Amino acid sequence: DAGITQSPRHKVTETGTPVTLRCHQTENHRYMYWYRQDPGHGLRLIHYSYGVKDTDKGEVSDGYSVSRSKTEDFLLTLESATSSQTSVYFCAISPGSAGGSYEQYFGPGTRLTVT
Amino acid sequence: AQSVTQLDSQVPVFEEAPVELRCNYSSSVSVYLFWYVQYPNQGLQLLLKYLSGSTLVKGINGFEAEFNKSQTSFHLRKPSVHISDTAEYFCAVSGTGGSYIPTFGRGTSLIVHP
Repeated sequence: DAGITQSPRHKVTETGTPVTLRCHQTENHRYMYWYRQDPGHGLRLIHYSYGVKDTDKGEVSDGYSVSRSKTEDFLLTLESATSSQTSVYFCAISPGSAGGSYEQYFGPGTRLTVT
Repeated sequence: AQSVTQLDSQVPVFEEAPVELRCNYSSSVSVYLFWYVQYPNQGLQLLLKYLSGSTLVKGINGFEAEFNKSQTSFHLRKPSVHISDTAEYFCAVSGTGGSYIPTFGRGTSLIVHP
């Protein structure tokens, strides 16, 4: 299994509070992604990173920010959590073209509830 | 831009029966195609992928998929399903141009009945 962990695995927070989710990899892969998964919507990309300090927005980036100061860590921050951000969040990593492999490897997910 | 349509949100089937999960995509560039499986309360894991070459690709757990460029499809099949195949299945497409930002379908829930 790819070495990818997410923390925390579960979190309950109140509306208006900041929340940071962490994704950590031990594979030295270049690409890292944050998705949210909601019933009926599948996986939707929030932000992604293609290198240290290189990040870009996905299709549902409003209300979220990210940072990647080291290859192995990709942080997702909800500046002021809202109930619409209640979801399951998945981190994924990918080597891209390195070694001819293009698939993603997913973490176990973080279940976030905003009350 | 690229998009993925999984035509069935839910597919019920009896154990040992064959199954096909349908996936169509649209893209203005050449693509890589993937199927992922998600078991309850877990992350996604790769079932199989098409990058180039043979259009029939085989994956784990007895699944296979066929890339049909003219019909822009990548349907997933298994000749005989097991109870343990009950899961959510996601089709994904990525352009070959180097952005490596895949687009996922909304998923198909495969429910295998005894």
